[in-house]
Amino acid sequence: EAQVTQNPRYLITVTGKKLTVTCSQNMNHEYMSWYRQDPGLGLRQIYYSMNVEVTDKGDVPEGYKVSRKEKRNFPLILESPSPNQTSLYFCASREKRGAGELFFGEGSRLTVL
Amino acid sequence: QQQVKQSPQSLIVQKGGISIINCAYENTAFDYFPWYQQFPGKGPALLIAIRPDVSEKKEGRFTISFNKSAKQFSLHIMDSQPGDSATYFCAASIRTGANNLFFGTGTRLTVIP
Repeated sequence: EAQVTQNPRYLITVTGKKLTVTCSQNMNHEYMSWYRQDPGLGLRQIYYSMNVEVTDKGDVPEGYKVSRKEKRNFPLILESPSPNQTSLYFCASREKRGAGELFFGEGSRLTVL
Repeated sequence: QQQVKQSPQSLIVQKGGISIINCAYENTAFDYFPWYQQFPGKGPALLIAIRPDVSEKKEGRFTISFNKSAKQFSLHIMDSQPGDSATYFCAASIRTGANNLFFGTGTRLTVIP
């Protein structure tokens, strides 16, 4: 089954404790992206990657890091989480070329105390 | 700055009625306009999409209307059903380059039986 898998789905952590949200896709997609969803703000892009070792900032990259060492994986790293990073996070992937469908994971709800 | 403005924020419709969600954009370089549907606890999923060379696209009960001169597009859901209750996001992108999607703020639709 074609899917984007995120882990963990739920996480409560404390300010400053580094965490990683993993994302993996099994569709051989070149493009992957992270979004955060907040009430009244919709989906905002954090980082994206056009291919292995190619990453770039989205609209709200502050406080986040990403890496793309393998095609299927695109982890989101919060080096020193703060309460304003409490949000619902989505990983997504699609084929590189054209206006293809973006496939989303089921989301990771992060709470930073 | 919100690249795509969406209204209303929430919408309640009787079963069998028509649901209408509106979006507006400023960037005339946008050339791909998808709508995503999100059920609680799930990631968004592509519902329907349109390119600016047509003014309307219909798939079943869902229709996108597109007004290029006004830089507006809307989603119409005919014969709305309780199963349509979800959050709907409009989006826009430029198909060349990274083709990053810019999302609206979302509309929570509730269809009352």
